[in-house]
Amino acid sequence: AQKVTQAQTEISVVEKEDVTLDCVYETRDTTYYLFWYKQPPSGELVFLIRRNSFDEQNEISGRYSWNFQKSTSSFNFTITASQVVDSAVYFCALSESTASKLTFGTGTRLQVTL
Amino acid sequence: DAMVIQNPRYQVTQFGKPVTLSCSQTLNHNVMYWYQQKSSQAPKLLFHYYDKDFNNEADTPDNFQSRRPNTSFCFLDIRSPGLGDAAMYLCATSRGGPISTDTQYFGPGTRLTVL
Repeated sequence: AQKVTQAQTEISVVEKEDVTLDCVYETRDTTYYLFWYKQPPSGELVFLIRRNSFDEQNEISGRYSWNFQKSTSSFNFTITASQVVDSAVYFCALSESTASKLTFGTGTRLQVTL
Repeated sequence: DAMVIQNPRYQVTQFGKPVTLSCSQTLNHNVMYWYQQKSSQAPKLLFHYYDKDFNNEADTPDNFQSRRPNTSFCFLDIRSPGLGDAAMYLCATSRGGPISTDTQYFGPGTRLTVL
């Protein structure tokens, strides 16, 4: 069975600090996909990244970066120089090639203050 | 520019009074999903359509039904809403390769209140 764990329920940082959101997953499949979504207070889930299990390259997109490590089953997300607009709930999610659903973690609420 | 549209954004209904939530998409995606998200919880998949094929999750109550009259539209019908059905309802779409591997794109959600 697939499972996603986001151990950090809530994180508070001051603007311009760097912050890392942790995601640990469990799966028996060798082929799977990992995702990060952002949910601002408005409620919409905004897609951030999709990574397949065969691509362990880290990715950087502006202030966002992702560190995928199969050895530790982790797919962590770092925001550099955080801004107030980054305040949201962030969900990590997993889908297996053999299952027809997306499994979400419980989310991490990030609060960025001035 | 909106790609997945949900109407209304806020819906208030009375206990036991049927309600329909609407989702439309301009992406021409084959797959449409309905999720229920309660406060401080992760989204929970209710069901999805792959084209016209309906796929219900095993633990989705019978109270929840769905219709997809065409590619662009999908509806969520709650036949007799209970207080426990108050939640955010999210619609999502994906392109339509193997369902589990495609990226899902979400609408803004409909927040349902049951009085």
